[in-house]
Amino acid sequence: RKEVEQDPGPFNVPEGATVAFNCTYSNSASQSFFWYRQDCRKEPKLLMSVYSSGNEDGRFTAQLNRASQYISLLIRDSKLSDSATYLCVVKTTDKLIFGTGTRLQVFP
Amino acid sequence: SQTIHQWPATLVQPVGSPLSLECTVEGTSNPNLYWYRQAAGRGLQLLFYSVGIGQISSEVPQNLSASRPQDRQFILSSKKLLLSDSGFYLCAWKRGISYEQYFGPGTRLTVT
Repeated sequence: RKEVEQDPGPFNVPEGATVAFNCTYSNSASQSFFWYRQDCRKEPKLLMSVYSSGNEDGRFTAQLNRASQYISLLIRDSKLSDSATYLCVVKTTDKLIFGTGTRLQVFP
Repeated sequence: SQTIHQWPATLVQPVGSPLSLECTVEGTSNPNLYWYRQAAGRGLQLLFYSVGIGQISSEVPQNLSASRPQDRQFILSSKKLLLSDSGFYLCAWKRGISYEQYFGPGTRLTVT
């Protein structure tokens, strides 16, 4: 079993739609969680950290469920510029473990 | 503010040739530094990390090596490249007490 698993997609959604991605992790001792965004042929960029109580940043909402060991990312009112691959990242001990990403394509 | 640089941006090298990729960070001191590789269609694989000058931890045994000759400089090397070394090489940094890592623009390496 992979340490961090994501649905690779692609998720094809129209502008204005709401889309949600889930990610599961295998190590129950994982301490911190993040979502990164990676545009085609570019470096990953930190989108947001995921806190136990859930957190929101504009149109983006992240949730953590420790009991079920999954993390989610909700994007509301999708924009064309949201098209990218979204990487789920889990910190265990002193390392970050990256999922392979979920690709989102927003169309007009 | 902090900035991380990598060069070259792209590189095409023949099998058996040597490799040297450089990463430098500006605007911070004593960062933790990381080298990752992302093969086509795959996730990021941690190759090396360093918590200080001359301190290198290797995550995956292979024909690559890393060095940290200065506080904000991290170098990835190979004496003889393999076809399987092709990929997108990313350098990242973080502050010692934080968890988030920040990536440089990467080097896309093609071994022919």
